[in-house]
Amino acid sequence: QKEVEQNSGPLSVPEGAIASLNCTYSDRGSQSFFWYRQYSGKSPELIMSIYSNGDKEDGRFTAQLNKASQYVSLLIRDSQPSDSATYLCAPPDMRFGAGTRLTVKP
Amino acid sequence: GAVVSQHPSRVICKSGTSVKIECRSLDFQATTMFWYRQFPKQSLMLMATSNEGSKATYEQGVEKDKFLINHASLTLSTLTVTSAHPEDSSFYICSARDGGSTYNSPLHFGNGTRLTVT
Repeated sequence: QKEVEQNSGPLSVPEGAIASLNCTYSDRGSQSFFWYRQYSGKSPELIMSIYSNGDKEDGRFTAQLNKASQYVSLLIRDSQPSDSATYLCAPPDMRFGAGTRLTVKP
Repeated sequence: GAVVSQHPSRVICKSGTSVKIECRSLDFQATTMFWYRQFPKQSLMLMATSNEGSKATYEQGVEKDKFLINHASLTLSTLTVTSAHPEDSSFYICSARDGGSTYNSPLHFGNGTRLTVT
């Protein structure tokens, strides 16, 4: 079974700080990764897609993909209380990692 | 943007009865749809992948005779929980990939169905 591992949570950061979320995967064939955010009781919503090695920035979010290390991360700059949610990473086969619960404290 | 509509959002049923959940892609054709189950404080667990016009592919440990999936058209997939029991109570979420997109494209999620079996 191809696996996705996420850094164990929960993760708590103060408002305005940088939150760092990490994910490693076992399938070397994965060509893309997706970060989703899930608020409690809701379904996931897509935050970022990343398809190539390196960084991809979208507003306060930066995704990094390192295919050689089989590692993908998500940085959230200037974290806000509204960013408090569970963050899930997924490869194209859509078998999600366990998720990392992030709490941003005012 | 691509919209996936899931219905009902909540359902309560008695033990032993069956429940059908519908998942529709409203503005795109969904060649592939994915069904997930999520228990409280746990991650999404992929139950099955369905392709339009063919049998669903179930994940290991998911009973295909209990969770019937039908993907008869490019815009509709259904999940029927047969002979439901209290342990089937969970949050069921469908998602779809645009038929015009590639394997490396993200999914669009429905809003989920919270099933409670009494």
